Amino acid sequence: EDQVTQSPEALRLQEGESSSLNCSYTVSGLRGLFWYRQDPGKGPEFLFTLYSAGEEKEKERLKATLTKKESFLHITAPKPEDSATYLCAVQARDSGYALNFGKGTSLLVTP
Amino acid sequence: DTGVSQDPRHKITKRGQNVTFRCDPISEHNRLYWYRQTLGQGPEFLTYFQNEAQLEKSRLLSDRFSAERPKGSFSTLEIQRTEQGDSAMYLCASSSDRAYEQYFGPGTRLTVT
Repeated sequence: EDQVTQSPEALRLQEGESSSLNCSYTVSGLRGLFWYRQDPGKGPEFLFTLYSAGEEKEKERLKATLTKKESFLHITAPKPEDSATYLCAVQARDSGYALNFGKGTSLLVTP
Repeated sequence: DTGVSQDPRHKITKRGQNVTFRCDPISEHNRLYWYRQTLGQGPEFLTYFQNEAQLEKSRLLSDRFSAERPKGSFSTLEIQRTEQGDSAMYLCASSSDRAYEQYFGPGTRLTVT
């Protein structure tokens, strides 16, 4: 069965303090790994899709990377507005189009 | 592009009542998904439509849940005889058949008292 584990569960950073969030996964055949950002009381907002090991995607202060077992979301010089829950999800090639999500990492960036 | 919209945004109901939620996907998207999210958890997949055909259903989707997408545009999710365990955020998402990423709506928060 597909599994997605995110760590840490919660992370507190000072503004400008770079760090990384981890997403470990097991899936029978990966079609894609997805990162989302979710603010309280809102729906997830799409950030990145990664398809194969070695792939990297960047957007502003965020960079996502992928290996065969895990993905990292690197946050460089974060700002308070980066505070949110970051969700990782996998889509398996043989399981239709359902996304299987982890529980997320709750990030708080303080000034 | 107005994004995915959901209605209502909040619903409070008494146990045993029926509720219906509506989702309007991004206009050119032919795939539509329903998920459920409880506090501290990631979204859990419920069901998926390709145009008007319901192609996947999760084990989570009990007999009290039914979803429709009659004309391949908007979708409804009905929960019959609601239970307190149904309290959650119900999320709708859509995607095109040219890409795999799914775009989510704001969700409907259901509270069953």
